[in-house]
Amino acid sequence: ETGVTQTPRHLVMGMTNKKSLKCEQHLGHNAMYWYKQSAKKPLELMFVYNFKEQTENNSVPSRFSPECPNSSHLFLHLHTLQPEDSALYLCASSSELGPFGPQHFGDGTRLSIL
Amino acid sequence: AQTVTQSQPEMSVQEAETVTLSCTYDTSESDYYLFWYKQPPSRQMILVIRQEAYKQQNATENRFSVNFQKAAKSFSLKISDSQLGDAAMYFCAYRSDNYGGSQGNLIFGKGTKLSVKP
Repeated sequence: ETGVTQTPRHLVMGMTNKKSLKCEQHLGHNAMYWYKQSAKKPLELMFVYNFKEQTENNSVPSRFSPECPNSSHLFLHLHTLQPEDSALYLCASSSELGPFGPQHFGDGTRLSIL
Repeated sequence: AQTVTQSQPEMSVQEAETVTLSCTYDTSESDYYLFWYKQPPSRQMILVIRQEAYKQQNATENRFSVNFQKAAKSFSLKISDSQLGDAAMYFCAYRSDNYGGSQGNLIFGKGTKLSVKP
């Protein structure tokens, strides 16, 4: 049990589909993050939420739409994606925003865009 | 802008031996944090060790230790008594201590794939 659970583990979708990635943390943390991990590239921060409020959007295209209904759940809604959006999407959490950044990561969702 | 460089895409070590993974970074800041993360095939990123730049003493966690050279902007990871379970991708990461800046932005290197031979 990692403490941060992501579903689905794998997702294949067409460019016109709409899907959502889900992240749930059972650690009582207040901050949650979305990262994108592409092949041969460093992890890229996408969004940061603190106490359900978005505190950071790292210039992410609008075809990615995050939602944080409460401190335990974080979603990433996807629509009209592009082939270059194929990547591993990692969710993370931390007890608070602070110098140590995300402390716990989920296993990620492997997204493939056809 | 800060950058993190891991110059070794792949490394290999014999079980029970010691291996050192390299990481250099570029920053104009004096206060920051450095991290090593491990990502096994299960894909979960696991924090291995972290170092506060204001501390001169190198961080140590069991078989993992770092060699932090602030002037050289170097932050290498040493794994002693390597075990088969150490096989993974290892990522070096930097985080600014500037609270006016990005709160969540860990800047990662591209990673080093470590293989452990039995």
